[in-house]
Amino acid sequence: NAGVTQTPKFQVLKTGQSMTLQCAQDMNHEYMSWYRQDPGMGLRLIHYSVGAGITDQGEVPNGYNVSRSTTEDFPLRLLSAAPSQTSVYFCASRQGADGYTFGSGTRLTVV
Amino acid sequence: TQLLEQSPQFLSIQEGENLTVYCNSSSVFSSLQWYRQEPGEGPVLLVTVVTGGEVKKLKRLTFQFGDARKDSSLHITAAQPGDTGLYLCAGVLPPKLNFGKGTSLLVTP
Repeated sequence: NAGVTQTPKFQVLKTGQSMTLQCAQDMNHEYMSWYRQDPGMGLRLIHYSVGAGITDQGEVPNGYNVSRSTTEDFPLRLLSAAPSQTSVYFCASRQGADGYTFGSGTRLTVV
Repeated sequence: TQLLEQSPQFLSIQEGENLTVYCNSSSVFSSLQWYRQEPGEGPVLLVTVVTGGEVKKLKRLTFQFGDARKDSSLHITAAQPGDTGLYLCAGVLPPKLNFGKGTSLLVTP
């Protein structure tokens, strides 16, 4: 089925470790975004991309890097994990003014 | 700073009741979207409203975009347990989509 695929679904990291959350979409969407969702905080934008080779910061970019080398893939890198990055991370993609299609999320715990 | 304020934050009602959820902002949006999210899943798009004053209906759900394109409401008629979930509004300020904190709805039989 077409959609947005996120891996892994669950991850536990130690403070200071680095990792990459993977996101891939097969709908040829131009826009892709990463959000984090925390209780009582809603969805907050981390980074977004309007096309291959173009990325920009969202509301809470510190501690995260992204790249967009292809239309399909938009990985999110945690450089040095901190307990404050414990969250559920969602990747989403859209085309033009259409609504976002979200992945099923990655639940990350940093201990 | 939260661009979009949703109210109420929590809502618990019985099956058959009507309810309205509000989404307010001081910003003007090019369009506004409503999503529903169930536990353990990503949000799923319900509707996009584009024109000020626009009203869209999706079965028992009625969505309205304010005349000034700053606010929106979601009205559910005769709520059912299957309506339970987190309802999120999101305002489009291209190229970004800004979400409210959501309204958590519980409908009990």
